[in-house]
Amino acid sequence: GAVVSQHPSRVICKSGTSVKIECRSLDFQATTMFWYRQFPKQSLMLMATSNEGSKATYEQGVEKDKFLINHASLTLSTLTVTSAHPEDSSFYICSELASSTDTQYFGPGTRLTVL
Amino acid sequence: SQKIEQNSEALNIQEGKTATLTCNYTNYSPAYLQWYRQDPGRGPVFLLLIRENEKEKRKERLKVTFDTTLKQSLFHITASQPADSATYLCALPNEKLTFGTGTRLTIIP
Repeated sequence: GAVVSQHPSRVICKSGTSVKIECRSLDFQATTMFWYRQFPKQSLMLMATSNEGSKATYEQGVEKDKFLINHASLTLSTLTVTSAHPEDSSFYICSELASSTDTQYFGPGTRLTVL
Repeated sequence: SQKIEQNSEALNIQEGKTATLTCNYTNYSPAYLQWYRQDPGRGPVFLLLIRENEKEKRKERLKVTFDTTLKQSLFHITASQPADSATYLCALPNEKLTFGTGTRLTIIP
């Protein structure tokens, strides 16, 4: 399967600061990547679909000005949590779509803790 | 409204036995269904995809069935091992891939 990396794996920041999370596709060019958020003991919730070279598509209830997504190349998508607050503390996971097999390959996730 | 239910939040199985996990869905007619494994603090790992015209699919010790009449998929792990302990998620496509809440499987030595 495809290999996806995320950086950083953990980040702790103060309330009000911005945090950037990188998601890289290591072995193929991904025109579509997805960003999920997962709270403890809950399932993955799709936040947005990141499309290379165009604007991301956000799910209902997700603030696009707070969660900035950039997909400038076929191997890199970034999620920036702006003016983070404690309620943004969560596990953020990206994935890439292998459209030929209808399969998503996930990154290892980023644990964000906002103090 | 559309719903995916994995009706066991947690399941404990003795090592060597077969673990069977259930995924039920309502108000869906998915073209396929997927199963993922998630370990604590890690992203999900794809295991199997089964399409609507397939009744059963196998991969090593894993077997998945898909009954579109019952709107149910069963996920079996035979000869279970402690290393199989993880949370298992089913997922269905519906404009986007939607996940169940998962079943936390523990294999007891």
